[in-house]
Parts: sequence; structure tokens; C-alpha cells
Amino acid sequence: SQKIEQNSEALNIQEGKTATLTCNYTNYSPAYLQWYRQDPGRGPVFLLLIRENEKEKRKERLKVTFDTTLKQSLFHITASQPADSATYLCALSGSARQLTFGSGTQLTVLP
Amino acid sequence: EPEVTQTPSHQVTQMGQEVILHCVPISNHLYFYWYRQILGQKVEFLVSFYNNEISEKSEIFDDQFSVERPDGSNFTLKIRSTKLEDSAMYFCASSEFRGEETQYFGPGTRLLVL
Repeated sequence: SQKIEQNSEALNIQEGKTATLTCNYTNYSPAYLQWYRQDPGRGPVFLLLIRENEKEKRKERLKVTFDTTLKQSLFHITASQPADSATYLCALSGSARQLTFGSGTQLTVLP
Repeated sequence: EPEVTQTPSHQVTQMGQEVILHCVPISNHLYFYWYRQILGQKVEFLVSFYNNEISEKSEIFDDQFSVERPDGSNFTLKIRSTKLEDSAMYFCASSEFRGEETQYFGPGTRLLVL
């Protein structure tokens, strides 16, 4: 069955450092991989989308890589700030439009 | 910036009662979705809707669930006879139909079944 794993449930880093979050998947051939941010009690907020034929995507302090051979995506937040503290969700979609989400990584940026 | 809206923000109901959750997707979007998130668990897909019909649904979306687009702006999820295990956050999402898969989520409705 399809499985999506995000590297850890919680990640603490110091302000100003780069946060790196990992998303691994098995038994899946996604056409798209997306990263969302979710704050407590709120809906997921779209951050970045990367297609299967793309290796890397950037948006301001965010960077996503996608390795379909390793079946892995890395999500980086550079120059992290306390306001970046949230749960970050990896989501995949294939030919069907439905998103399959990972369980998320809770990031805490310490001042 | 356009956004998906959902009402009510909270809903408390008795087991066996019917509930209807309301969503207003982004106005130029053509694909609509419902997801749910049980407390402490993953966001799970329920159903997608395009051109006034269901395009995909998950195993969770059984006969107790239905969706409707009653007019040009609203998109509803009905649960006919609620169970305790239906307690969750329900998120509506929408996306454009131009090969772009980005889905924009609403703030959610927290449903509590007693």
C-alpha cells in the first residue's frame, strides 16, 4: 500500500539556521509533490509544488527538492524565524487529483 | 487575496443527527474537495467534485456522506446519520482546472459528535 513518511514528528532548531524536513514515499509514483504549512486548529496553507520532472524549486526562503529515484523530497527553510514554527505537511498526488498527506513534522524555531 | 471560506467554524451534534457543512470555494476554481483530520492524525481525502459530479471518493466516503453544489458558489458536505467517529476537522479545498494541482484549503469546520 502507499506510504508517506516524514522524517520526524518534531524538529527544534535555532533561529537563523536552516531547517531541513524530509518526506519519503513508497509504492507511489506521484506526478506532483506539495508542501503545506498547518498551524494548530487551522487548514493547510500551500507553500510549494514540484513536479516529477523537476529537481528543485525555490520561493523566497523556501527550497524543495524532489528525487524520484530515491523517492524522497527535502524541504528547506533558510534563515529560519520563530514565525516559521508550525507543522509542515508533505502531500502527493498522481493521475488522480486527491492529495495523500504525510503525518507532518512539527517545527519549532527557538529564538 | 481570494480564499476558501467554511461555515460553521464549530458544530456540535448528537449521534444519529444529520449535519451539513458549508463551503464557498474560490470563485474561478472548478475542482472542489473535502478532507477530514481526526485530532492528532493525518489529513485524509474524502471526495472530489467536478462538473457537478463526484470524480473521486475514498473508502471513508460511504453512503452516509453526500456532496452537493446547490448554486454557483456553495459546496456542501452532508453526513446523514453522524457517528462518534465522525468527530474531526473537515476541510474544504478548491483548485483551478488548468493542469495545476495546487489545492487551496479553507479554515475548517470542527465537528463534535456526542
